[in-house]
Amino acid sequence: EPEVTQTPSHQVTQMGQEVILRCVPISNHLYFYWYRQILGQKVEFLVSFYNNEISEKSEIFDDQFSVERPDGSNFTLKIRSTKLEDSAMYFCASSEARTGGAGEKLFFGSGTQLSVL
Amino acid sequence: AQSVTQLGSHVSVSEGALVLLRCNYSSSVPPYLFWYVQYPNQGLQLLLKYTTGATLVKGINGFEAEFKKSETSFHLTKPSAHMSDAAEYFCAVSGGYGQNFVFGPGTRLSVLP
Repeated sequence: EPEVTQTPSHQVTQMGQEVILRCVPISNHLYFYWYRQILGQKVEFLVSFYNNEISEKSEIFDDQFSVERPDGSNFTLKIRSTKLEDSAMYFCASSEARTGGAGEKLFFGSGTQLSVL
Repeated sequence: AQSVTQLGSHVSVSEGALVLLRCNYSSSVPPYLFWYVQYPNQGLQLLLKYTTGATLVKGINGFEAEFKKSETSFHLTKPSAHMSDAAEYFCAVSGGYGQNFVFGPGTRLSVLP
């Protein structure tokens, strides 16, 4: 089965530093997403991306966050100035169609564990 | 708006016993409902989903779930637990196109020998 791949699997950074989390969605998918899971808490939606622009974002996705599809294969999440509370598992996902519609399927990557010290 | 509750943050069953993980939802529109599983150090994997049609949905690894509109529930069951079923299980609801998933808080399933 096709996979969404994320790198790195674990990233450690100092508070205030910028980090870029990388994702390679499934090649024929058109919609891309970032979710995060703070340890012991639920998986939270951050942002969805389609046609080279953000289609929806949550209140968590503030000005310190940005997403980009720099080329035809990668989808990145940048956190400009990391805070301690940004420590979480970040999941990338992709789908052929917008989530929630009949017939589509959301594929998740295995996640990047971000630790902010 | 949609929301999901999962009763029991941790459920333990013996190997071979029935697995029942509870999920209740709230939705202002007919919901699409999903169960995801997360094995240790892995990503989220779709177990099964309900969109329309038959209310009893079968998924991978012998799991199934039944959509009960009157009870606003979508409980996940498996007749006989296996050690490999130990994982975190997330129920999710979506209101349809353009509405992103809302995940429940998750239930950790432990399977005892």
